[in-house]
Amino acid sequence: GQQLNQSPQSMFIQEGEDVSMNCTSSSIFNTWLWYKQEPGEGPVLLIALYKAGELTSNGRLTAQFGITRKDSFLNISASIPSDVGIYFCAGRSGNTPLVFGKGTRLSVIA
Amino acid sequence: DAGITQSPRHKVTETGTPVTLRCHQTENHRYMYWYRQDPGHGLRLIHYSYGVKDTDKGEVSDGYSVSRSKTEDFLLTLESATSSQTSVYFCAISDRGQGTGELFFGEGSRLTVL
Repeated sequence: GQQLNQSPQSMFIQEGEDVSMNCTSSSIFNTWLWYKQEPGEGPVLLIALYKAGELTSNGRLTAQFGITRKDSFLNISASIPSDVGIYFCAGRSGNTPLVFGKGTRLSVIA
Repeated sequence: DAGITQSPRHKVTETGTPVTLRCHQTENHRYMYWYRQDPGHGLRLIHYSYGVKDTDKGEVSDGYSVSRSKTEDFLLTLESATSSQTSVYFCAISDRGQGTGELFFGEGSRLTVL
């Protein structure tokens, strides 16, 4: 089946630093989604991408749909303590169910 | 926030006992999903539903069954729980289908099988 490789697995950064994470797929996707999960809660949708090359922002978060349609990137600028959590990418091709990456655990040191 | 309620939120049970988790939505969305989340595996799809009485298997469906008799309720049943089914289970809903739908998640149900 489809697989997503999400990296890095974890990150420890200083408050104020920028963060980058990415996902790559073994097949072409037509949708990329980025979620954030905080402890004890369900994942919350951050950004949705539907076109190759699309660049979308949500506050300090920016995500891009890779031109090859096999990857996506999420950047967080000027990180703050409330950015802590696990970030998941998810993607699909055609009408198949969403496939999720294994997550990037972000820790922010004040 | 999407109106999704999962129950129970926490359950401890013994191997071999049946367990049913309930997902209730107030959004009238057509699509409902059950995922499990385990360390090192992320979120994996168990079963999903695309309408009342219409369900299909996901990636890790063995040992699980589902039922959807009403639009608002999607039940996940473990007929005979095993320790490997210890996990956090998330229900999700979508209104726009497999090809374009963005999923909205419940708060999760933590199941421990002893």
